[in-house]
Amino acid sequence: EAQVTQNPRYLITVTGKKLTVTCSQNMNHEYMSWYRQDPGLGLRQIYYSMNVEVTDKGDVPEGYKVSRKEKRNFPLILESPSPNQTSLYFCASALGQGWNGYTFGSGTRLTVV
Amino acid sequence: AQSVTQPDIHITVSEGASLELRCNYSYGATPYLFWYVQSPGQGLQLLLKYFSGDTLVQGIKGFEAEFKRSQSSFNLRKPSVHWSDAAEYFCAVAAHMGRRALTFGSGTRLQVQP
Repeated sequence: EAQVTQNPRYLITVTGKKLTVTCSQNMNHEYMSWYRQDPGLGLRQIYYSMNVEVTDKGDVPEGYKVSRKEKRNFPLILESPSPNQTSLYFCASALGQGWNGYTFGSGTRLTVV
Repeated sequence: AQSVTQPDIHITVSEGASLELRCNYSYGATPYLFWYVQSPGQGLQLLLKYFSGDTLVQGIKGFEAEFKRSQSSFNLRKPSVHWSDAAEYFCAVAAHMGRRALTFGSGTRLQVQP
């Protein structure tokens, strides 16, 4: 089944404790992206990647890092999480050519206390 | 800068009734427009998209949307709503094709009454 898999689904952590949210897709998509969803704000792009070793900032990159060492994986790293990063995070992937929109993962709900 | 407005935060309809969810966008060039649906605890699923051509587009689950350039709108419609359509609906515009960046509206939550 074609899908984007994120882990974990739920995460509660403390301020300043480094964490990684994993994302993997099995569709051989070139593009991958991270979004955060906050009430009343819709989804906002954090980082994106056009292909292996090619990443760049989205609209709200502060406090986040990403890497793309393999085509299928695109982890999101919070080196020093803060409470304002409490949010619902979505990983998504898309074709490089003939874009038809993103395929989204099921989301990771992160709470930073 | 591009933006998407979904004026209705919450809509309640009766099962079997028709539905229209509004979406207005602000974008200088020809927009690429999307509607996504998010069921509780789930990710976003693409309902339909408009890139060019016929301004009335058909999607999955019996949904359709009409692109009206003169009104900068891309409203989503369904002739007869089912209880399983209860979800949150997001309109989005592709603002930056190079980074595949979608700008989303804030969403419309649909409640379906029996």
